[in-house]
Amino acid sequence: GAGVSQSPSNKVTEKGKDVELRCDPISGHTALYWYRQSLGQGLEFLIYFQGNSAPDKSGLPSDRFSAERTGGSVSTLTIQRTQQEDSAVYLCASSSRSGTSDTQYFGPGTRLTVL
Amino acid sequence: GEDVEQSLFLSVREGDSSVINCTYTDSSSTYLYWYKQEPGAGLQLLTYIFSNMDMKQDQRLTVLLNKKDKHLSLRIADTQTGDSAIYFCAERGASGGSYIPTFGRGTSLIVHP
Repeated sequence: GAGVSQSPSNKVTEKGKDVELRCDPISGHTALYWYRQSLGQGLEFLIYFQGNSAPDKSGLPSDRFSAERTGGSVSTLTIQRTQQEDSAVYLCASSSRSGTSDTQYFGPGTRLTVL
Repeated sequence: GEDVEQSLFLSVREGDSSVINCTYTDSSSTYLYWYKQEPGAGLQLLTYIFSNMDMKQDQRLTVLLNKKDKHLSLRIADTQTGDSAIYFCAERGASGGSYIPTFGRGTSLIVHP
């Protein structure tokens, strides 16, 4: 079946503009994660959705970042008034939260460049 | 907070074994993972190990866990050029906020002829 998809694959924007990044998780997966990967850095956790529970927003770096998940499926990460330091690859992952290993399946990412 | 450390680069010759090392600080880690990231792609789970195990083998991959020293390693036998990628170590607990994995910075494996 289809894996996790993300769109757009690349986004170039000007400083100060807002951007929206989309994630389509694997059908039936209840957990969804957003990470940020900067050059030479590991994965920085941003936000976590699990079912109908309140999301864990503890990783969002500032109030310019927000995310929502509609209908327990598609998620949108919004960055307002983008800054150059927001340039990174934004990765989405989903998991079924069943079984013992809770494997995360990652999308290909959205590469964001803020000029 | 929790921390996961890896060396940034490893260079090996094709056909040799590669050993990628990882250390972590969270003593309550329950699951430890190895992910592979090829250029322009997301992360792909290679293997994982539960904290009550000390070794897991899967074809060319061998994972060793030293829980006392909080040290995890990934050995790739007969390394091929297709194994060139970034390898991430990750750990997580079993419940609550610890359910969110902590990732290392990744080790870039370069395989040369």
